[in-house]
Amino acid sequence: DIHMTQSPSSLSASVGDRVTITCRASQTINNYLNWYQQKPGKAPRLLIYAAYSLQSGVPSRFSGGGSGTDFTLTISSLQPEDFASYYCQQSYSPSLTFGQGTRLEIK
Amino acid sequence: QLQVQESGPGLVEPSETLSLTCSVSGGSISSMNYYWGWIRQPPGKGLEWIGSIYYGGTTYYNPSLESRVTISVDTSKNHFSLKMSSVTAADTAVYYCASVRLATVRAHFFGMDVWGQGTAVTVSS
Repeated sequence: DIHMTQSPSSLSASVGDRVTITCRASQTINNYLNWYQQKPGKAPRLLIYAAYSLQSGVPSRFSGGGSGTDFTLTISSLQPEDFASYYCQQSYSPSLTFGQGTRLEIK
Repeated sequence: QLQVQESGPGLVEPSETLSLTCSVSGGSISSMNYYWGWIRQPPGKGLEWIGSIYYGGTTYYNPSLESRVTISVDTSKNHFSLKMSSVTAADTAVYYCASVRLATVRAHFFGMDVWGQGTAVTVSS
């Protein structure tokens, strides 16, 4: 199995801040890395697929980067609705795996 | 617009079999562009992929659950199903179904782009 490690596990930030979450894969996954946002009591929402492709309807303040084993999710200017949990997921292997998640909280 | 919706019992007794169904609407489960997946989330914890199925019947399972899980598809009813045997309290979770988009290179995927709202399953006597 491909193991995914996210950092940090939690993060406090303010509206307007620029934040970056990182995700590392235990082996190369090319660009098959996806990012999800999840709010309490709701299903996850796909934000970014294939490392840097923005899913339809997702605001442009979200961006993805990286390749190989190291990836990032950046939110350029935090909005109140962005405070949520974020998960990375590799889809290089059909045995899909998620990172442990990052909780983004209001400072 | 593609939608998926989970259904099934909210309470399952220990050692019994959990059975859930995911109904697909607004599109065909026989689409060549999708696999169909199950994911779960225990209370207060992260997401765990359970398994995925293609309309033709090809399946992939989480190795840690494979011995207890069966995913099947019924193209005539446009739905797919999950069965998990010998459940324990550790299987208590919100269970989601989702579409898993196939990448241009067919051995890989572009993520889970449509999710159901989730169904809470409690394992308890």
